[in-house]
Amino acid sequence: AQSVTQLGSHVSVSEGALVLLRCNYSSSVPPYLFWYVQYPNQGLQLLLKYTSAATLVKGINGFEAEFKKSETSFHLTKPSAHMSDAAEYFCAVSDFSGTYKYIFGTGTRLKVLA
Amino acid sequence: GAVVSQHPSRVICKSGTSVKIECRSLDFQATTMFWYRQFPKKSLMLMATSNEGSKATYEQGVEKDKFLINHASLTLSTLTVTSAHPEDSSFYICSARDLGTGGPLDEQFFGPGTRLTVL
Repeated sequence: AQSVTQLGSHVSVSEGALVLLRCNYSSSVPPYLFWYVQYPNQGLQLLLKYTSAATLVKGINGFEAEFKKSETSFHLTKPSAHMSDAAEYFCAVSDFSGTYKYIFGTGTRLKVLA
Repeated sequence: GAVVSQHPSRVICKSGTSVKIECRSLDFQATTMFWYRQFPKKSLMLMATSNEGSKATYEQGVEKDKFLINHASLTLSTLTVTSAHPEDSSFYICSARDLGTGGPLDEQFFGPGTRLTVL
């Protein structure tokens, strides 16, 4: 069964600093992985997804993630944090049942300090 | 990108009443829609998978008679919380899968969520 683990429920960075949000996955088959962002009282917006085409995936808003099979990781990074990046971030893996439902991590709340 | 809407965005109801939440895919067809529940500062918990024209598949621990799901068309799924109680208060989010290829690469698009408060 697929699963994801997000290390760190809260991450704080200074504006302009590197953002690193961690996600490790468990999967018996090559996974499809996703990062979503959620702003307060809103739904989820897709940041990027890994579908085995390339290990370094670029997403929206300057975010990117690197798939590392040896480390079973799919960490999300952004070189320079902006105040508007403050939000909740979720890592998810698609399972391989008939409906390909998503299994979400517990989320990481990113706080950006001025 | 594809748009999924939810209605209402917020609802307050009295204990014992039923509440219906609609999830619509506005510019694409979705054979599969998912319903999630999100507790404050928590992750999304998948409640059920809704398939057009068939019965929903509920996750373990979710009461079928409590949370009625209907997926009557390729663009509409509804979640009815029956005999709501304060513990049902939560943020409910739906998502819809584009028909696409029918495989894991078909993206899920999420609605903006519905905040339910049961007094």
